[in-house]
Amino acid sequence: TQLLEQSPQFLSIQEGENLTVYCNSSSVFSSLQWYRQEPGEGPVLLVTVVTGGEVKKLKRLTFQFGDARKDSSLHITAAQPGDTGLYLCTRSGGSNYKLTFGKGTLLTVNP
Amino acid sequence: DARVTQTPRHKVTEMGQEVTMRCQPILGHNTVFWYRQTMMQGLELLAYFRNRAPLDDSGMPKDRFSAEMPDATLATLKIQPSEPRDSAVYFCASGSRLTQGPHNEQFFGPGTRLTVL
Repeated sequence: TQLLEQSPQFLSIQEGENLTVYCNSSSVFSSLQWYRQEPGEGPVLLVTVVTGGEVKKLKRLTFQFGDARKDSSLHITAAQPGDTGLYLCTRSGGSNYKLTFGKGTLLTVNP
Repeated sequence: DARVTQTPRHKVTEMGQEVTMRCQPILGHNTVFWYRQTMMQGLELLAYFRNRAPLDDSGMPKDRFSAEMPDATLATLKIQPSEPRDSAVYFCASGSRLTQGPHNEQFFGPGTRLTVL
């Protein structure tokens, strides 16, 4: 089983602070996705990264894929209470459409 | 605004009772997934279907769980008999070759929160 390790497991910060969460594996990913799950809802896709070293920005969120395609990070600048949620990384299973999820980082941004 | 819908949103039942959860995938999506989420295990894949045919249910306890797609607009997950350890949030997700491309985006429903007493 190819595990995805996410850290930290929990993170509680004040509005306006910056933060970084991580997703690591011992295996190479063909592609990696980040989802955000808000309380009481299902996960929603934020981004897909495919190329080693790739950086993608989504407003205040910056996603980076490691050069070796074994790890990824998500950096949030000037966090807002609306960023509160569970951030999940997942690797694609390729043609069989299966996704393997990490356990996530539960982020709380306090006003 | 196309969304995956799930019913019921909440279910409280007693141990030994049958539980049926329903999912309506996004119209036109041909893959449907069932996941279970708990604090301890995170999000676990239970089963998935493509074009209504079950492709993989290796994550599902076979003795008490069953998943079906009687038609393209309905997927069901049944637990019989239910046990307290089945308490979790159950998510349905759908996708299609057009939306997924090579990277398998899935669209999740809001989940069914199951509590077995």
